[in-house]
Amino acid sequence: EDQVTQSPEALRLQEGESSSLNCSYTVSGLRGLFWYRQDPGKGPEFLFTLYSAGEEKEKERLKATLTKKESFLHITAPKPEDSATYLCATKEGGSEKLVFGKGTKLTVNP
Amino acid sequence: EADIYQTPRYLVIGTGKKITLECSQTMGHDKMYWYQQDPGMELHLIHYSYGVNSTEKGDLSSESTVSRIRTEHFPLTLESARPSHTSQYLCASSVGGRTDTQYFGPGTRLTVL
Repeated sequence: EDQVTQSPEALRLQEGESSSLNCSYTVSGLRGLFWYRQDPGKGPEFLFTLYSAGEEKEKERLKATLTKKESFLHITAPKPEDSATYLCATKEGGSEKLVFGKGTKLTVNP
Repeated sequence: EADIYQTPRYLVIGTGKKITLECSQTMGHDKMYWYQQDPGMELHLIHYSYGVNSTEKGDLSSESTVSRIRTEHFPLTLESARPSHTSQYLCASSVGGRTDTQYFGPGTRLTVL
């Protein structure tokens, strides 16, 4: 069964303290790995899609990378407004569904 | 980025009532989806549609039903609400193809008393 595991479950950082979130997956025939940001009481907001090992994408303070078994979301010099739950999801070839992890709740203190 | 709308945003209703959660998108996306999310838990797909007059059940068993009469509209109906239906319901749409990124609406938080 396809699985997506995110770690840590929660992460507290000081403003400016860089760190990484991990997403490990066991899907076969990966058709895409997706990162979303979700604020409390809102729907997930799309951040990145990665398709193949070695691929990297960046947006402001966020950088996503992909290997054959995991993806990392690197946060450089975070600000309090980066506080949110970050969700990882995979899509398998031939399937319409996204398999989501439980997310990492990030808190950035000023 | 898709513009996708859900109404109501919050709903508190008694057991046994029939409810319809609305979802509309203005991007002309063929594919639409309904997910269910409990607090601190993963999103689970409950229904999806490839286009008009196409609906399929997702992995998570759900007593809800959906319809797709117009491309932009994908309502979800519960014929008789129960406390076990209390959850966050999220609608999404995608254009398909290689990218097929799903864009989500703001969600409806349903509480059944």
